[in-house]
Amino acid sequence: SSELTQDPAVSVALGQTVRITCQGDSLRTFYASWYQQKPGQAPILVIYGQNNRPSGIPDRFSGSNSGNTASLTITGAQTEDEADYFCNSRDSSGLHLVFGGGTKLTVL
Amino acid sequence: QVQLVESGGDLVQPGGSLRLSCAASGINFSDYFMSWIRQAPGKGLDWVSYISSSSDYTNYADSVKGRFTISRDNAKNSLYLQMNSLRAEDTAVYYCVSLKYDLDYFDYWGQGTLVTVSS
Repeated sequence: SSELTQDPAVSVALGQTVRITCQGDSLRTFYASWYQQKPGQAPILVIYGQNNRPSGIPDRFSGSNSGNTASLTITGAQTEDEADYFCNSRDSSGLHLVFGGGTKLTVL
Repeated sequence: QVQLVESGGDLVQPGGSLRLSCAASGINFSDYFMSWIRQAPGKGLDWVSYISSSSDYTNYADSVKGRFTISRDNAKNSLYLQMNSLRAEDTAVYYCVSLKYDLDYFDYWGQGTLVTVSS
């Protein structure tokens, strides 16, 4: 089992706001980054650091951190946001990198 | 634009060996930490290993330590993964990924190469 825990599936109505969470003790010390993966494609980075978006990522994507929980928020979800989302950070030892199990986002 | 192109994936028997390669372009390869990340069919992402920009530091997941070796050739803009004593559970798509070590995020991803371990 992963040291970073994500809900397996989340759904959101088109145009509404959804929060995807990632829990783990290491998140009290290290930032999380977030990746979007669509079927048959490689993942892409959507959020890193405190709350940074790479070039080309829409500003409806944002990140936040509180205690042992990191969150990815999509404000005004679009059909093209339907995908798997993975968080990433260090493990509790700080030595290794780990991913959460992933959250499948469905846009209704 | 940045391109990371993996090669070397194949069908191999349990206990066998395989060497993956990744050719990088569009980035100053020698400035980047590089990593391998894998994804078993229908499963999540699994970090495998990373190597520092000058090859002086490597790190491995416990599941592959002692069996896999990461290396790079900055003159050839290439990353490698030597995989020995392969097991069925190593079956996955292997991605070559650049790593921003200071903030622990993976910025550029290849399209992956499939490794299948089966008799």
